[in-house]
Amino acid sequence: AQSVTQLDSHVSVSEGTPVLLRCNYSSSYSPSLFWYVQHPNKGLQLLLKYTSAATLVKGINGFEAEFKKSETSFHLTKPSAHMSDAAEYFCVVRTTDSWGKLQFGAGTQVVVTP
Amino acid sequence: DTAVSQTPKYLVTQMGNDKSIKCEQNLGHDTMYWYKQDSKKFLKIMFSYNNKELIINETVPNRFSPKSPDKAHLNLHINSLELGDSAVYFCASRSTGGRNSPLHFGNGTRLTVT
Repeated sequence: AQSVTQLDSHVSVSEGTPVLLRCNYSSSYSPSLFWYVQHPNKGLQLLLKYTSAATLVKGINGFEAEFKKSETSFHLTKPSAHMSDAAEYFCVVRTTDSWGKLQFGAGTQVVVTP
Repeated sequence: DTAVSQTPKYLVTQMGNDKSIKCEQNLGHDTMYWYKQDSKKFLKIMFSYNNKELIINETVPNRFSPKSPDKAHLNLHINSLELGDSAVYFCASRSTGGRNSPLHFGNGTRLTVT
């Protein structure tokens, strides 16, 4: 079965400093992986997705993630945090059943301080 | 605007009542979903419909009954509401034409059962 584990439930960064959100996956096959962001009282928005084309994936708002098969990781990074990055972030894996359900991680709340 | 829209945004009701949440997407997607997000932000799939047919039905009490009158609409009816049903319910859609096509989410319906 496919699953993801987000290693930090809460991350606090200062504005202008790098952001690192850690995600490990478990999958018997080459996984499809996603990062979604949820701002307060909003729905989820896709940040980026990994589909085996390239291991370094660039997303919206300056975020990127690197797929590392040897470490079974898909960590999300941004070089310089902005106040608007304060949100909940979800690492997601698509299952390999016939309809490809998405399995969500538990989420990481990002707090950005001035 | 092209979007996934769900109504109402907020729903406050008493235990034992029956309520419905509606969802519509104008993205031309063929598959729609209901997700439940609990107080800890954990997201769990409840149902999925593909071209009006039920394809995913997780372990959800049968008080919850989804209905898809057409592939652009997926409604959720809940009978005999309980305190534990309080959560944010998200509708989502995607096109299954592409294996890695992402989910598009609505902004959620916050259900509070008193």
